[in-house]
Amino acid sequence: SQTIHQWPATLVQPVGSPLSLECTVEGTSNPNLYWYRQAAGRGLQLLFYSVGIGQISSEVPQNLSASRPQDRQFILSSKKLLLSDSGFYLCAWSVLADTQYFGPGTRLTVL
Amino acid sequence: SQKIEQNSEALNIQEGKTATLTCNYTNYSPAYLQWYRQDPGRGPVFLLLIRENEKEKRKERLKVTFDTTLKQSLFHITASQPADSATYLCALVSGTYKYIFGTGTRLKVLA
Repeated sequence: SQTIHQWPATLVQPVGSPLSLECTVEGTSNPNLYWYRQAAGRGLQLLFYSVGIGQISSEVPQNLSASRPQDRQFILSSKKLLLSDSGFYLCAWSVLADTQYFGPGTRLTVL
Repeated sequence: SQKIEQNSEALNIQEGKTATLTCNYTNYSPAYLQWYRQDPGRGPVFLLLIRENEKEKRKERLKVTFDTTLKQSLFHITASQPADSATYLCALVSGTYKYIFGTGTRLKVLA
């Protein structure tokens, strides 16, 4: 069966520090991969999605970037975090445009 | 731009009653619409998908309707239980790969 992993589960970082969040999927090939951010009490904001290795689409211009170095690996990065980057980051996968399967999430607090 | 609105930010109902959640969308004609459940601190979990040519879909105590004329979907939980308390999100797919989520309705079922 398919599983999705995200780490770390929680992270506290100072403003201006770099960020790297990792997501891996097991049990499926060539999935579509997604990064979302959810601010407290808010909906899901799509940040990036990828339909294949090295193919990244950005939805919101900001200081975050994403990479997909392997078929089932998706990385969210930042060179310098802002206070507004705090939130709950979720990785998800899907096949075609069907059901999305979400990871457990990373709670990021920028101080 | 495409927009999804879930009318109620929060909904409290008595155990045993039917909960009805609303999802409205604008500037789009989706081929299908999805509903997810999200518990605090967790990623959303897929519940139901309804296609544009389906007026109604059922799964156990859940029922979803889809009115493409009104651009609205209704999500019903019959015989609600305290364990149904969660945030419920609707989502539509824009194009082939991009998902747009509503802000969610926080449902609380009172014992």
